[in-house]
Amino acid sequence: AQKITQTQPGMFVQEKEAVTLDCTYDTSDQSYGLFWYKQPSSGEMIFLIYQGSYDEQNATEGRYSLNFQKARKSANLVISASQLGDSAMYFCAMRGLNNAGNMLTFGGGTRLMVKP
Amino acid sequence: DVKVTQSSRYLVKRTGEKVFLECVQDMDHENMFWYRQDPGLGLRLIYFSYDVKMKEKGDIPEGYSVSREKKERFSLILESASTNQTSMYLCATSPPISNTEAFFGQGTRLTVV
Repeated sequence: AQKITQTQPGMFVQEKEAVTLDCTYDTSDQSYGLFWYKQPSSGEMIFLIYQGSYDEQNATEGRYSLNFQKARKSANLVISASQLGDSAMYFCAMRGLNNAGNMLTFGGGTRLMVKP
Repeated sequence: DVKVTQSSRYLVKRTGEKVFLECVQDMDHENMFWYRQDPGLGLRLIYFSYDVKMKEKGDIPEGYSVSREKKERFSLILESASTNQTSMYLCATSPPISNTEAFFGQGTRLTVV
C-alpha cells in the first residue's frame, strides 16, 4: 500500500519569497514516481513536476524544484520567488512503477496563500 | 492536448437515487481513475481501471461501482445516493507509462439532498 502525508494544511508566504511544501511518503515498491499538482480556485488540476525514485538529480521545472530525500522518504516542493498566482491547493502524489495498475495516490494537500 | 470530459459540472440528486457520473477521454489512455475530493482529506481513490472491463478498488469503494465497457469511457455509479456522498468527484486518465502524469477532468460537484 502507498501513503502520502502532507503535514501543512495551510501556509502563508510573502510575495517574491521562496516556500517549501512538505511531502512524506510510504511505499513497499522499489520503483516509484512522485508528482506535484496545483489546484487553483477554479478547480482544475495542473501538473507541476515529476521525480522518479531512481533519478539521481532533483527535478526542476522553472520556479518549481523538488527536494527529494529518498532515505527520509520525503519529496518536498520548493517554489522560488512566489507570485500571487501561486495561491492554490498543492497536492503531492505517488505511483508505483512496477505496479501493473499504476495506482496513483494523493496526499491531503496544502493550501498556499501568497501575501502581497 | 489530452481532453478528459466529465458529463456534468454540477449535479443535485435526492437520497436513494441511482446516480451516474460519466467520464470520457480522447487520448486512448489505458488507465482511468475516479477520485472524490473533500476538504482536509485530499483526493481519495474510489476505483481505478487499467483496461476495458478491468477494475480495481481504491481506498473508499463502498457505496460505489464502476463500469468500463469502452476504452474511452469510465462511469462511476452511486447505486443509492446518500448525503455523505456529497462531494467533488474527479476523473483522471493516464497512459500505462508510469512516469507520466495523470490528466484530470474539470470535476463534478455532486450534492445529495
